[in-house]
Amino acid sequence: DQQVKQNSPSLSVQEGRISILNCDYTNSMFDYFLWYKKYPAEGPTFLISISSIKDKNEDGRFTVFLNKSAKHLSLHIVPSQPGDSAVYFCAASARDNYGQNFVFGPGTRLSVLP
Amino acid sequence: DAGVTQSPTHLIKTRGQQVTLRCSPKSGHDTVSWYQQALGQGPQFIFQYYEEEERQRGNFPDRFSGHQFPNYSSELNVNALLLGDSALYLCASSLGAGFSTDTQYFGPGTRLTVL
Repeated sequence: DQQVKQNSPSLSVQEGRISILNCDYTNSMFDYFLWYKKYPAEGPTFLISISSIKDKNEDGRFTVFLNKSAKHLSLHIVPSQPGDSAVYFCAASARDNYGQNFVFGPGTRLSVLP
Repeated sequence: DAGVTQSPTHLIKTRGQQVTLRCSPKSGHDTVSWYQQALGQGPQFIFQYYEEEERQRGNFPDRFSGHQFPNYSSELNVNALLLGDSALYLCASSLGAGFSTDTQYFGPGTRLTVL
């Protein structure tokens, strides 16, 4: 049972346009969400995060939106650049008595075309 | 500021063998988590170590074990290797089990191939 879903395995966008990557989750206990970018042969690189007490977080060209009622978050990249071409993972976290556990989605491969 | 480092980069083993992977966390971090990433999938949580103890464990068999040393570095051991253990093994570090919004930083991973 996938707790974090990224239903689009791939996405192609023209350079300069907006890229929108989507993520859905099922566990209502998740209270912290992160996006990671991964290039081939490298580990995932932290991009941006959002706490469940917010509905938007912005960092330069990257904005993450959280809709708790829909259990949905999205990452917007504006404007998209060829260097943004990578696999993007959505991750969600919940705390319990034992600490914090991160659950990752399967990833979306973004291709930004020049 | 040194990031998360892992060794070795690549490893080839045969079925039934045992393997040890190593990880040094980012400077200032004291918590280490291990993930298995199969081809085409997202990282799957194996376990997390904090204060030299296993704090959390994912759905992995007991063949997967770990250790954290006083300097916060960590090892992942896998016994009785199976073909299905072939994957990229990622180590991630973060600061403290007491924070509610830990951000994990990943190493480059160890590519394990089981023949």
